[in-house]
Amino acid sequence: GENVEQHPSTLSVQEGDSAVIKCTYSDSASNYFPWYKQELGKRPQLIIDIRSNVGEKKDQRIAVTLNKTAKHFSLHITETQPEDSAVYFCAASIKSGGSNYKLTFGKGTLLTVNP
Amino acid sequence: EAQVTQNPRYLITVTGKKLTVTCSQNMNHEYMSWYRQDPGLGLRQIYYSMNVEVTDKGDVPEGYKVSRKEKRNFPLILESPSPNQTSLYFCASSHHNPGGRMNTEAFFGQGTRLTVV
Repeated sequence: GENVEQHPSTLSVQEGDSAVIKCTYSDSASNYFPWYKQELGKRPQLIIDIRSNVGEKKDQRIAVTLNKTAKHFSLHITETQPEDSAVYFCAASIKSGGSNYKLTFGKGTLLTVNP
Repeated sequence: EAQVTQNPRYLITVTGKKLTVTCSQNMNHEYMSWYRQDPGLGLRQIYYSMNVEVTDKGDVPEGYKVSRKEKRNFPLILESPSPNQTSLYFCASSHHNPGGRMNTEAFFGQGTRLTVV
């Protein structure tokens, strides 16, 4: 079936460095690409999302880029801080019939920001 | 306060004993779904519902049932739980389905940690 691949599975950076997480998807009809952050023991929460009619979106230290031709999108975190340490999930809307879509998640990236 | 509420938060049960995990949202969302989270496998969708009385299978539906009799509630039913259903379960809701043009942010419940022995 249609899926979402996410890399890397773990990422360790020094405080102040940048972090990049990449995802690829297979469904050319996908039109919505959110990123979720899950802190230890907590629920996933949306941090940024992008739609297929936009190539890039930025919110303070976080940005997402989308390449529809290559079917990949990336999360960029600049000036990382220890509180950025968490598991990050990418997701893509996958067409499931007619006008129905479902959200398929990548397997997650454990980001550790070392002080 | 806008929220998605799951109950129970923690549950230990025995193989074969039917159980239900409840999910309720107070945001008048149309779209609701259930996920299970396992180490190294991320979030996998079990079932989803586009609206009242409309449900469909996700990626891992075997061994689960759902119902959507009211807009706010979307219970997950395990008729005969087995140890391989030991997992962390999340319910989520959004105004519209993920392919919609707007209001597609998914809000997650706090999770239910299920252990089947």
